[in-house]
Amino acid sequence: AQSVTQLGSHVSVSEGALVLLRCNYSSSVPPYLFWYVQYPNQGLQLLLKYTSAATLVKGINGFEAEFKKSETSFHLTKPSAHMSDAAEYFCAVGAYTGGFKTIFGAGTRLFVKA
Amino acid sequence: NAGVTQTPKFQVLKTGQSMTLQCAQDMNHEYMSWYRQDPGMGLRLIHYSVGAGITDQGEVPNGYNVSRSTTEDFPLRLLSAAPSQTSVYFCASNHRDASYEQYFGPGTRLTVT
Repeated sequence: AQSVTQLGSHVSVSEGALVLLRCNYSSSVPPYLFWYVQYPNQGLQLLLKYTSAATLVKGINGFEAEFKKSETSFHLTKPSAHMSDAAEYFCAVGAYTGGFKTIFGAGTRLFVKA
Repeated sequence: NAGVTQTPKFQVLKTGQSMTLQCAQDMNHEYMSWYRQDPGMGLRLIHYSVGAGITDQGEVPNGYNVSRSTTEDFPLRLLSAAPSQTSVYFCASNHRDASYEQYFGPGTRLTVT
């Protein structure tokens, strides 16, 4: 079975500071891992995904994430936060275990201070 | 392409009423899913479908029905609305492979009084 834990329901950073959003996963089969972003009153959109091709994955808007199997982690980072990054971020794990399932974490809301 | 569309955007129901949330996609995706989003709980899978005529239950299926008569449409029916079903509902679709990301609709905000 798959599960996802996002550490910290809220993260606050100053504009220009490093963004680090933490995600740990559990999966009984090799996982596919995703980060999605949700802006207010909108649906989710994909930031980046890991599909075993490379452990460091680059996404849109300057975000990247590193897959670390030994730590079962897939943390999301961005070197310099921008005000427009304020949103809710969801880590998700997908796997085919007799049927397709994607499990989402509880989400982390990112606040960016001027 | 319109992507994934959902109607209505907002709905208020009284306890015990029934209604159908509509979802359609024009990307010829095999998989479609319904999620509900509640504060602090992320997205929870209600029902999903791997193709026309095939549906299965997700994490929180009670009180909801689905059917998939065409590739494009995947309506979600609330049989007898309860206040616990107050939530934001998202429909999503993706290709038949867990490596493919999901495409989400804009959501339906449902309030049950």
